Amino acid sequence: KAGVTQTPRYLIKTRGQQVTLSCSPISGHRSVSWYQQTPGQGLQFLFEYFSETQRNKGNFPGRFSGRQFSNSRSEMNVSTLELGDSALYLCASSFRTGRSMSYEQYFGPGTRLTVT
Amino acid sequence: GQQVMQIPQYQHVQEGEDFTTYCNSSTTLSNIQWYKQRPGGHPVFLIQLVKSGEVKKQKRLTFQFGEAKKNSSLHITATQTTDVGTYFCAGGSSNTGKLIFGQGTTLQVKP
Repeated sequence: KAGVTQTPRYLIKTRGQQVTLSCSPISGHRSVSWYQQTPGQGLQFLFEYFSETQRNKGNFPGRFSGRQFSNSRSEMNVSTLELGDSALYLCASSFRTGRSMSYEQYFGPGTRLTVT
Repeated sequence: GQQVMQIPQYQHVQEGEDFTTYCNSSTTLSNIQWYKQRPGGHPVFLIQLVKSGEVKKQKRLTFQFGEAKKNSSLHITATQTTDVGTYFCAGGSSNTGKLIFGQGTTLQVKP
């Protein structure tokens, strides 16, 4: 079974620009979560999508948004990029359907975003 | 909001020494998961604990979930260089429906 894939793997953008990252979950997984990873901050939860609906959201500004398509693929968009947005953005999928958190998450390799 | 604190942030050990990382939540958790991230890699699921006081073992790794379901620990016996990486705990809240990650403990093992 293919793992979680993320594209692109690396990205360099300039302040003020916007960026769209893509995530394809494991086949059969309908829950997709996004995380921002920076040194010292660990894994910060951005949002979770399930069946094309945002089910949960972390404490990030509105510049961070996402969506999920009918095939469970998900995209994350960051508008008006700031230097502090430089990070590794990880996508994770799981079998989770209801409110239970008892499902392991399968992470993709991440997209390394550098904002200059 | 719910917070999950993990200590220590870094740990350097000599190969063969033991290692422990601790995870503490500000609220009662429904479950706790542990992940390992190798340098340059992505987090990989290790184990999940659900029951109060639960203890699980995976070879040299021992995982515990506190009686109050607010803390957890991962203990590695006789570390090896293959244990190098960052270990994350993640606490689940059935109230919020969120899985909150700790900041991770980065383990370095000197051969």
